[in-house]
Amino acid sequence: GAVVSQHPSRVICKSGTSVKIECRSLDFQATTMFWYRQFPKQSLMLMATSNEGSKATYEQGVEKDKFLINHASLTLSTLTVTSAHPEDSSFYICSARSHPRDYSNQPQHFGDGTRLSIL
Amino acid sequence: GQNIDQPTEMTATEGAIVQINCTYQTSGFNGLFWYQQHAGEAPTFLSYNVLDGLEEKGRFSSFLSRSKGYSYLLLKELQMKDSASYLCAARGGADGLTFGKGTHLIIQP
Repeated sequence: GAVVSQHPSRVICKSGTSVKIECRSLDFQATTMFWYRQFPKQSLMLMATSNEGSKATYEQGVEKDKFLINHASLTLSTLTVTSAHPEDSSFYICSARSHPRDYSNQPQHFGDGTRLSIL
Repeated sequence: GQNIDQPTEMTATEGAIVQINCTYQTSGFNGLFWYQQHAGEAPTFLSYNVLDGLEEKGRFSSFLSRSKGYSYLLLKELQMKDSASYLCAARGGADGLTFGKGTHLIIQP
């Protein structure tokens, strides 16, 4: 089945550091990728939608200058948390879907997530 | 806007059946998903409904009523490993999913 690889799985770094998270679709071309964030005991919240070759669409309240998204190829999207602070500590999860207009029985395929801890 | 409601926690007995309900309000509707999530892990896809009715997949079934904005996930022959959070998610007019807060299911022996 479809596989999405997310790297790294865990990051611990100092406040002020920028952190890059990669999301790769391993056996399909992902024209659309999504980035979610999940705080402890809370729901997954969509941060942004990333379309290959175009600018990402950010959800209300998500700072696009702080969470930089690049989707330069059909198999790779990256999320960079710039100048991270302790309040950015969270579980970041990417997902991918191959057909932007295919609303058939096709789930989003999730990566394993990245646990980000900012000291 | 989007709003997804599901119970916070449920308890059931091993071998029994449990039904987890979900109500949703979305601007546009393009499908209702159920995911299972163990603590500290990414969600795992369980089911997808876009038309009214019941979809059965092994021990798991999911039901949708679009007119009522209602879905449920039915788990049969419960096993201890089914202890997890179950997330209801709706896809509205845009592509991204809106998730409920999840139902923490506790399976007792």
